[in-house]
Amino acid sequence: DAKTTQPPSMDCAEGRAANLPCNHSTISGNEYVYWYRQIHSQGPQYIIHGLKNNETNEMASLIITEDRKSSTLILPHATLRDTAVYYCIVLNTGTASKLTFGTGTRLQVTL
Amino acid sequence: DTAVSQTPKYLVTQMGNDKSIKCEQNLGHDTMYWYKQDSKKFLKIMFSYNNKELIINETVPNRFSPKSPDKAHLNLHINSLELGDSAVYFCASSLQTGGSEKLFFGSGTQLSVL
Repeated sequence: DAKTTQPPSMDCAEGRAANLPCNHSTISGNEYVYWYRQIHSQGPQYIIHGLKNNETNEMASLIITEDRKSSTLILPHATLRDTAVYYCIVLNTGTASKLTFGTGTRLQVTL
Repeated sequence: DTAVSQTPKYLVTQMGNDKSIKCEQNLGHDTMYWYKQDSKKFLKIMFSYNNKELIINETVPNRFSPKSPDKAHLNLHINSLELGDSAVYFCASSLQTGGSEKLFFGSGTQLSVL
């Protein structure tokens, strides 16, 4: 599975959009991009995933570049409750059992 | 209703003891997992079970033995506990749908070995 690179930390003002980048330059054609987050003292939470098209759900939007070598998770209106560690993971179809977490990006949302 | 529930939430015990952590999911998923999160916050997969059969064992010491009585339960038994076993253990489950494997995690069990 392709490795990912994320900035270790980011800050965002409450109410603003939080844009979390992820590089996955070695991604292969059948690998999906998944995003999870872990709020302090809780289990990881699935956010969104995509293959090559941009995706949006009630939590976030996922923008994947045309060459698929990077992506951005967008939280359109960050709140204090979005403070968490965000993990970008690339994964092949049918290999959820190989889901592994890197170090992620610690997002701090401030007043 | 909690989708993935694990008990206990906190477990404090002495070295050498044997302990168990229970996990249950009510999502109808066919795959369950155990993850370990160490003091540096790295999350590592330990085991993965699909329909009660072991499919992943990531070089975990054989003191750790998962037991799956049915596909809704995956319990973790740990024998002869060591100081290094202190960590937060997360149970998770997923449905193998091909291309959409979202994992749902429990809230974790913080194990402290004294």
